[in-house]
Amino acid sequence: NAGVTQTPKFQVLKTGQSMTLQCAQDMNHEYMSWYRQDPGMGLRLIHYSVGAGITDQGEVPNGYNVSRSTTEDFPLRLLSAAPSQTSVYFCASSSGHRDAKNQPQHFGDGTRLSIL
Amino acid sequence: EDQVTQSPEALRLQEGESSSLNCSYTVSGLRGLFWYRQDPGKGPEFLFTLYSAGEEKEKERLKATLTKKESFLHITAPKPEDSATYLCAVSGGYQKVTFGIGTKLQVIP
Repeated sequence: NAGVTQTPKFQVLKTGQSMTLQCAQDMNHEYMSWYRQDPGMGLRLIHYSVGAGITDQGEVPNGYNVSRSTTEDFPLRLLSAAPSQTSVYFCASSSGHRDAKNQPQHFGDGTRLSIL
Repeated sequence: EDQVTQSPEALRLQEGESSSLNCSYTVSGLRGLFWYRQDPGKGPEFLFTLYSAGEEKEKERLKATLTKKESFLHITAPKPEDSATYLCAVSGGYQKVTFGIGTKLQVIP
């Protein structure tokens, strides 16, 4: 059982380039999300999805796009990379909620992204 | 707006020296308080979920407790392998999760 798999693990981009961070989960979870983690700040939600075909914005969505065509995959696209997007990106999934209680999230090991 | 404050930011303990980490929170309608452990270069690893005041969960040397305003992660007789950053998060809406900055714990042999 692989859990949540993120690729690549490391990436260096030049300002203005675009790229896609991949995220896949094998737990049949309905909920998936993307966070960024920066020094001195907590994990901040970028985008999330409550199921295939459904996505919504989180706290810091500008400069990022997502889509959810399957239950398993939730890629994050950087449209035109900027130095401010240098960060560690984490993908997470959960089984959603039951009886108004949210279930814990399972995280991948992250993509470390540097924008020059 | 949901808020999470963790203290201390860093904690250094001798092996066997018990202590507690604090997570103070404000949230409108708690749907879950979560504790995670994060090792360097890794993603957060789920430890506990607490849903209502008075609830407690235990796992090996760790025990999490919850009141209406804060949660504590008690570490009993820690070992060097317990060294990590411990994250607290609260969920106030459907999967709307707010994380704290974390407490970096170092356990010295």
